[in-house]
Amino acid sequence: EVQLLESGGGLVQPGGSLRLSCAASGFTFSSYAMSWVRQAPGKGLEWVSAISGSGGSTYYADSVKGRFTISRDNSKNTLYLQMNSLRAEDTAVYYCAKVGLYCSSTSCYYYFDYWGQGTLVTVSS
Amino acid sequence: DIQMTQSPSSLSASVGDRVTITCRASQSISSYLNWYQQKPGKAPKLLIYAASSLQSGVPSRFSGSGSGTDFTLTISSLQPEDFATYYCQQSYSTLLFTFGPGTKVDIK
Repeated sequence: EVQLLESGGGLVQPGGSLRLSCAASGFTFSSYAMSWVRQAPGKGLEWVSAISGSGGSTYYADSVKGRFTISRDNSKNTLYLQMNSLRAEDTAVYYCAKVGLYCSSTSCYYYFDYWGQGTLVTVSS
Repeated sequence: DIQMTQSPSSLSASVGDRVTITCRASQSISSYLNWYQQKPGKAPKLLIYAASSLQSGVPSRFSGSGSGTDFTLTISSLQPEDFATYYCQQSYSTLLFTFGPGTKVDIK
């Protein structure tokens, strides 16, 4: 059974830093890309960042580029999100998600097939 | 950047109704379109990937269609457990994603 368990959320002051972790189990972690998605209170889903299975390629939303860093430790089956220079607008529940892959004869498609339960980050003075 | 829109933003329906939600991309994304369901306080759940492929375990009353810029999620006969918010998501560029703003389905 695939399980994703986020941790590390909490209250932080504007300009501060926080590191989120996502412990994965139930699948071959290094074989899959992983991603972070956030949801501000009462708002919709916002994709934040993604990382390839090897960790060699990373991708970011413009809203967090230069402030957030995604990484992974495949020996520990753990995904991370280092968040620096935090702003009030970063307040959200942060979900980690496993990136599934389906390939037809002509194309490959990515999607989020498993999600964690989320961890709340609150940026406030 | 690819922008996603959804319509309507909310709708009221009754059990047994046929419900259709539309998602539009700001440029052609072929079939790189996924649909998710989210209930309050819960993580999203994948329903449809690659525009029309039903995720394992998802009831067959859910279906997806479309390609290019216009996509549709259809619930053929709305059930009580289907009252939720639905999001589309584009995955046209490798590991770069955008969600639509969501469509809330509630009870009439």
